[in-house]
Amino acid sequence: AQSVTQLGSHVSVSEGALVLLRCNYSSSVPPYLFWYVQYPNQGLQLLLKYTSAATLVKGINGFEAEFKKSETSFHLTKPSAHMSDAAEYFCAVKRGFKTIFGAGTRLFVKA
Amino acid sequence: DAGITQSPRHKVTETGTPVTLRCHQTENHRYMYWYRQDPGHGLRLIHYSYGVKDTDKGEVSDGYSVSRSKTEDFLLTLESATSSQTSVYFCAISESERTGGISAEAFFGQGTRLTVV
Repeated sequence: AQSVTQLGSHVSVSEGALVLLRCNYSSSVPPYLFWYVQYPNQGLQLLLKYTSAATLVKGINGFEAEFKKSETSFHLTKPSAHMSDAAEYFCAVKRGFKTIFGAGTRLFVKA
Repeated sequence: DAGITQSPRHKVTETGTPVTLRCHQTENHRYMYWYRQDPGHGLRLIHYSYGVKDTDKGEVSDGYSVSRSKTEDFLLTLESATSSQTSVYFCAISESERTGGISAEAFFGQGTRLTVV
């Protein structure tokens, strides 16, 4: 069965530092993978998605993710954190009509 | 925000009472979903719909039922609310239909915070 594991329920970075949020997937077939962001008291917003067209995927707000089949990973990165990036981030995998979400990683950005 | 509205946004109800949450979309998307969000669990799929009157169970469907009589509306009903159903509920609609039915849930509602006392 397809699933995702997010490593670290909380990540804290300084403003201007690299953001790295980790996601590993398990899938017996080429997966469709996603990253979503959730700001307080809001719904989820799609950041980016991998659908096998390219291994490096660029999303909104300067985020990108790289699909690495050998490592079964789809980590989310941003070169320089901004205070407005503080939110909760979810990795997800498509399974048929369903999307399966990881437990989420809350990103804190320190001034 | 995409044309997706959840109502009510907040509700407090007593154990044992029925509760219905509504999701309304103006995007004419085929796929609609209900999730619940709880700390440490991410979002878990309750039920989903792939067309009018076409629904199926997700991973946490016990105690919930759904109905979709029109493309734009997807209702989630808690037949007899329990404290374990206290949660934030999200409705989602698909971004688009693609070959093989693979599509992304690109649009989420604002959520309904339900408290069962």
